[in-house]
Amino acid sequence: GQSLEQPSEVTAVEGAIVQINCTYQTSGFYGLSWYQQHDGGAPTFLSYNALDGLEETGRFSSFLSRSDSYGYLLLQELQMKDSASYFCAVNGDDKIIFGKGTRLHILP
Amino acid sequence: GAVVSQHPSWVICKSGTSVKIECRSLDFQATTMFWYRQFPKQSLMLMATSNEGSKATYEQGVEKDKFLINHASLTLSTLTVTSAHPEDSSFYICSARHGSDSNQPQHFGDGTRLSIL
Repeated sequence: GQSLEQPSEVTAVEGAIVQINCTYQTSGFYGLSWYQQHDGGAPTFLSYNALDGLEETGRFSSFLSRSDSYGYLLLQELQMKDSASYFCAVNGDDKIIFGKGTRLHILP
Repeated sequence: GAVVSQHPSWVICKSGTSVKIECRSLDFQATTMFWYRQFPKQSLMLMATSNEGSKATYEQGVEKDKFLINHASLTLSTLTVTSAHPEDSSFYICSARHGSDSNQPQHFGDGTRLSIL
């Protein structure tokens, strides 16, 4: 079967750094994506890793280890507007499979 | 960046009504579009993959006669919820991908919130 595991909730303080982990087990793997979704909104694309290593985009970074079937999203200098759900997703054979999402709570 | 437009954003209608949702790629040709459904506080569930000029591929458990998908052009896919009932109330989201390369990210529309009374 196919599955992605990520924590259901994470809490961090404004200005801090938080890491959201994702492990996956899928048939067919092209890359790992991360999406952000605010309440009531649609997912927005954050990053994509096709190869092992770290990809950095501003305050957000994403890491992939294909041999470990593992990746993470790193958010730095947290802001209140970063409070949202974050989904990891695997680009598999012809479709994307989403994890259940991690709800990020940010405390002032 | 790539833009995907979804319309309408909100629909409220009576039970038994059929509802059509449109998904357009505005600045690129989308050979493949995807339709998702999301219940509150849950993940996105893939309903079907829509390929231009061919029949959609439905995921297990999704009724193809209930959720009709048409992908008549490289920029437009439609989802019709036929004879909608309250249990069909949900957030429906489409996405589009450049070409057929699985190594490309998807770009999402803003979603359609469907409420059946």
